Amino acid sequence: QQQVKQSPQSLIVQKGGISIINCAYENTAFDYFPWYQQFPGKGPALLIAIRPDVSEKKEGRFTISFNKSAKQFSLHIMDSQPGDSATYFCAALGAGSYQLTFGKGTKLSVIP
Amino acid sequence: SAVISQKPSRDICQRGTSLTIQCQVDSQVTMMFWYRQQPGQSLTLIATANQGSEATYESGFVIDKFPISRPNLTFSTLTVSNMSPEDSSIYLCSVEGGTDQPQHFGDGTRLSIL
Repeated sequence: QQQVKQSPQSLIVQKGGISIINCAYENTAFDYFPWYQQFPGKGPALLIAIRPDVSEKKEGRFTISFNKSAKQFSLHIMDSQPGDSATYFCAALGAGSYQLTFGKGTKLSVIP
Repeated sequence: SAVISQKPSRDICQRGTSLTIQCQVDSQVTMMFWYRQQPGQSLTLIATANQGSEATYESGFVIDKFPISRPNLTFSTLTVSNMSPEDSSIYLCSVEGGTDQPQHFGDGTRLSIL
C-alpha cells in the first residue's frame, strides 16, 4: 500500500514559470514532510521540509504548502530554471521514527 | 549534515557473482539504511542497520541475498549475493539525521549485471 501518493509523474515547465508538485498521505501519524531533489548520478539531497503545525514554508524560490485537514502538501518552485531539472521526491516521517516513506517521484524538466 | 561516501560508485558484474558495497560516514550515527532504486523509480528500503545488532530487513528482502555488516558507528557494508540481471539497480546508503529529522544520502552505487 502506497502511503504517500505523488503527482504528476513528469512535468515540463518553461523557464521562469512555476513548477508545482503535489503529494497526499494517508497515515495521520506522519509529522514531518521533507522534499528531496535528485540529479542524475547523484543521491537524493534534502531540499526543504515542513512540519504540520505550519501551513507554509519558504526557502528562496522553493515553497512547501501544507493542508493538514486534507492530508496534502505541495512543492512550488518559483521562477523555475533549467538547473532545477531533476527528480523530486516527497517523503513523510512518523513521530519518533527514523524511517522515511517516499512518493514515487516527479521528473521535472525546465526548458529554456 | 553528514558526508557519506559510497564505494564503488559503479560496477559491472557477471551473473552469479557477489559484490560488497561500502558506506562510510564522517560522523558517528546510530542508524544507517540501505535502499534500492531501480531506474526511473522511487527508493525502496532494503534494511536498517544498527551497530552491534543484526540488520532489520523489509518485506521482500532477505539476509541471504543482501547480507549487511555494521562493525562501528561510521561504517556499513551491503553485499548483493548471487547476482542476476534483476539486481541491476542503484544501491543507496543513508544515515539518520536524528529523531524526527530526515535522512541524508550518499551518491549511490550503480550496479549492472551482465
